[in-house]
Amino acid sequence: EAGVAQSPRYKIIEKRQSVAFWCNPISGHATLYWYQQILGQGPKLLIQFQNNGVVDDSQLPKDRFSAERLKGVDSTLKIQPAKLEDSAVYLCASSLGRFSRNTEAFFGQGTRLTVV
Amino acid sequence: QKEVEQNSGPLSVPEGAIASLNCTYSDRVSQSFFWYRQYSGKSPELIMSIYSNGDKEDGRFTAQLNKASQYVSLLIRDSQPSDSATYLCAVNRKAAGNKLTFGGGTRVLVKP
Repeated sequence: EAGVAQSPRYKIIEKRQSVAFWCNPISGHATLYWYQQILGQGPKLLIQFQNNGVVDDSQLPKDRFSAERLKGVDSTLKIQPAKLEDSAVYLCASSLGRFSRNTEAFFGQGTRLTVV
Repeated sequence: QKEVEQNSGPLSVPEGAIASLNCTYSDRVSQSFFWYRQYSGKSPELIMSIYSNGDKEDGRFTAQLNKASQYVSLLIRDSQPSDSATYLCAVNRKAAGNKLTFGGGTRVLVKP
């Protein structure tokens, strides 16, 4: 079974530029998460989708971050404009979904973003 | 109060010893609990899940859940240098749409 796919693996941009990350979850997984992980900290949930609907985006800085999950499969996370403090690893994870007893979530390899 | 709290460590254990990691959570209605292992520069890897009170064993790992006291722990028996990593506790609240919240992680160092 293929795992969660993310791209790109690394990205370096200048502040005020824009950047987009892509995630393809495990086939059949209805729930998709985007996390931000700053060095030395645990993952912080940015946004959670159930199919193509947003379940939680309470910690997403909506003035600069946006995310979508069209057709309930792939998802993109965008930052525009980027700030230095956005330097982090952006992790995508997926799980079967709220109607399943199994709520285990699996992560992709992440995208390491450096803003200079 | 943080939703999920862990001691950041580092927890230093000699090879062959038992490593004991603890995690507390604030939301009493949390339903599913997970331990992830994260090597430096890598993404989190699921190693244990536990859904009901008591112990769950898988190889050298044992997860313990006490919902009344709102804590979950992880024991690593016969610790190996390859167990050196950061261990993340995660809590899922199904009533909140499967929101999955992580603690800050405990760094474990196993010394040969």
